[in-house]
Amino acid sequence: RKEVEQDPGPFNVPEGATVAFNCTYSNSASQSFFWYRQDCRKEPKLLMSVYSSGNEDGRFTAQLNRASQYISLLIRDSKLSDSATYLCALSGGYNKLIFGAGTRLAVHP
Amino acid sequence: NAGVTQTPKFRVLKTGQSMTLLCAQDMNHEYMYWYRQDPGMGLRLIHYSVGEGTTAKGEVPDGYNVSRLKKQNFLLGLESAAPSQTSVYFCASSQNPPSYNEQFFGPGTRLTVL
Repeated sequence: RKEVEQDPGPFNVPEGATVAFNCTYSNSASQSFFWYRQDCRKEPKLLMSVYSSGNEDGRFTAQLNRASQYISLLIRDSKLSDSATYLCALSGGYNKLIFGAGTRLAVHP
Repeated sequence: NAGVTQTPKFRVLKTGQSMTLLCAQDMNHEYMYWYRQDPGMGLRLIHYSVGEGTTAKGEVPDGYNVSRLKKQNFLLGLESAAPSQTSVYFCASSQNPPSYNEQFFGPGTRLTVL
């Protein structure tokens, strides 16, 4: 079993829609979780960290469910500019990141 | 402030050739990392460094060597390239733990081995 698993998608949604992605992890001792955004042929960039209490940044909400070992990302009022691949990651020692394979989102007019 | 830069951006090698990828950061970060990204597999850690003069193996270190002679530079070497090393290589850097610090990525190097 992969340490971090994501549905590869693609998720095709219209502008204005709400879309959610989940990411499951296998190591129950994992402490830190993140969502990165990666545009086509570009480097990943941190979208948001995921805290135990959940966190929200504008249209984006991240949640952590330790009991079921998954994190989620909710995007409200999708924009065309949200089209990208969303990578979940967890941090091991020395800030090393373990990534999922990513979920592709395509927002259409 | 350029952040993290990588040289070269693209390269084509023949099997058995060698090359070095250069990563440079101007943020005075202690930690640096090399990842490779293949289709459908996400990013995988090759090697990392927790400071000048130190290196350590990541998840997929075979076939690669690294050096961190200067704090701002982290070099990734392929001694004898193989087609399986065709990939996109990303370098990243971060400040010291203990609390998590964001990793900043370079723009990537696209390597093809024929």
